[in-house]
Amino acid sequence: ETGVTQTPRHLVMGMTNKKSLKCEQHLGHNAMYWYKQSAKKPLELMFVYNFKEQTENNSVPSRFSPECPNSSHLFLHLHTLQPEDSALYLCASSPGGLNSPLHFGNGTRLTVT
Amino acid sequence: DQQVKQNSPSLSVQEGRISILNCDYTNSMFDYFLWYKKYPAEGPTFLISISSIKDKNEDGRFTVFLNKSAKHLSLHIVPSQPGDSAVYFCAASAGNNDMRFGAGTRLTVKP
Repeated sequence: ETGVTQTPRHLVMGMTNKKSLKCEQHLGHNAMYWYKQSAKKPLELMFVYNFKEQTENNSVPSRFSPECPNSSHLFLHLHTLQPEDSALYLCASSPGGLNSPLHFGNGTRLTVT
Repeated sequence: DQQVKQNSPSLSVQEGRISILNCDYTNSMFDYFLWYKKYPAEGPTFLISISSIKDKNEDGRFTVFLNKSAKHLSLHIVPSQPGDSAVYFCAASAGNNDMRFGAGTRLTVKP
């Protein structure tokens, strides 16, 4: 059981579907992150929220829409995805200060058909 | 623009021997470096870190070395154990929330 919980663990969706990924952290952290991991590629930072405010948007297409209602919850809303968006989506949290490690969830394996 | 590179996709060592995982970076603004370990079907877990004011940090069997002039860091695991078999990611940040990761090295420790 990690301090960061992601649901669902697996998701298969068509290109016209709308779905959401959910992340919840139980560590009292102030920053939350979405990363994308494609096969044999580095983890790519997508979004960062600090105290519920978005501080990083790493040129992510608008078909990915994040939402952070509070410091403990983070969502990634998915709409009109492409097959190349199939990947492992990882949520992470950190205390929010400088030079602190990230705590990751176990990820959602997304397949777009 | 891949600022953190792990050029060895895989490494195999014998149990009890030393494992050395390498990482290179290009951004001279990076001042905090980390290693994460990832088992299948799990997220990466933090292993050890080092700030740019140091050149070595040790935690039990794990030691990270930083060579700033060469923009290179390495993770030494000694002695290696079968349970260390996992994918190891190198990461770096420049004092902000933008942490960059390498592509990972798959370590296999053979009994």
